[in-house]
Amino acid sequence: GAVVSQHPSWVICKSGTSVKIECRSLDFQATTMFWYRQFPKQSLMLMATSNEGSKATYEQGVEKDKFLINHASLTLSTLTVTSAHPEDSSFYICSVETGHSYEQYFGPGTRLTVT
Amino acid sequence: AQSVTQPDIHITVSEGASLELRCNYSYGATPYLFWYVQSPGQGLQLLLKYFSGDTLVQGIKGFEAEFKRSQSSFNLRKPSVHWSDAAEYFCAVGAPSGGYQKVTFGTGTKLQVIP
Repeated sequence: GAVVSQHPSWVICKSGTSVKIECRSLDFQATTMFWYRQFPKQSLMLMATSNEGSKATYEQGVEKDKFLINHASLTLSTLTVTSAHPEDSSFYICSVETGHSYEQYFGPGTRLTVT
Repeated sequence: AQSVTQPDIHITVSEGASLELRCNYSYGATPYLFWYVQSPGQGLQLLLKYFSGDTLVQGIKGFEAEFKRSQSSFNLRKPSVHWSDAAEYFCAVGAPSGGYQKVTFGTGTKLQVIP
């Protein structure tokens, strides 16, 4: 498998500010990473697919100008929530695809609270 | 598009009792199937996966799952539950979507283990 870390694990920001979340693949060079959002007591909803060196592919209904994704290297993808609002408060999870039949390995998640 | 249904939102079992978590999927062909477990404060961990071959799949922590094409099901089982198994369990299906591989998650089943 792959070991994936996220930073920070928990962040509080004020409404209107931006916050960046990092996802690192510690032992695997990942050309593809995924960003998910999980609401309380709900499932993971895929937000976007992050491809190293190219633009991310966003799922329908996800605002690409609000959720900026940068996958600048094979070990790092970042998600920036711009002009955050309270409704953006959620649990954000990234994953790494190892290339073996859809198998993904997940980071521990980042809890975002917008006040 | 593929979809996953986990009909049981919450299940309570006694420690030492057997467990079965239900999962039904919708997809035209045989998909890639997964079970993940999410413990509080931890990332999703892959329990097992099915791609092809033997329809009874063994996973980690004593879990197994059986793929039944006729029922479009991939139920997770464990013969004897331990208190440490208390967590949220997600069934997922992987299939091509929009030119790339996409994994869709069910809504999850929260397992409570009582002494």
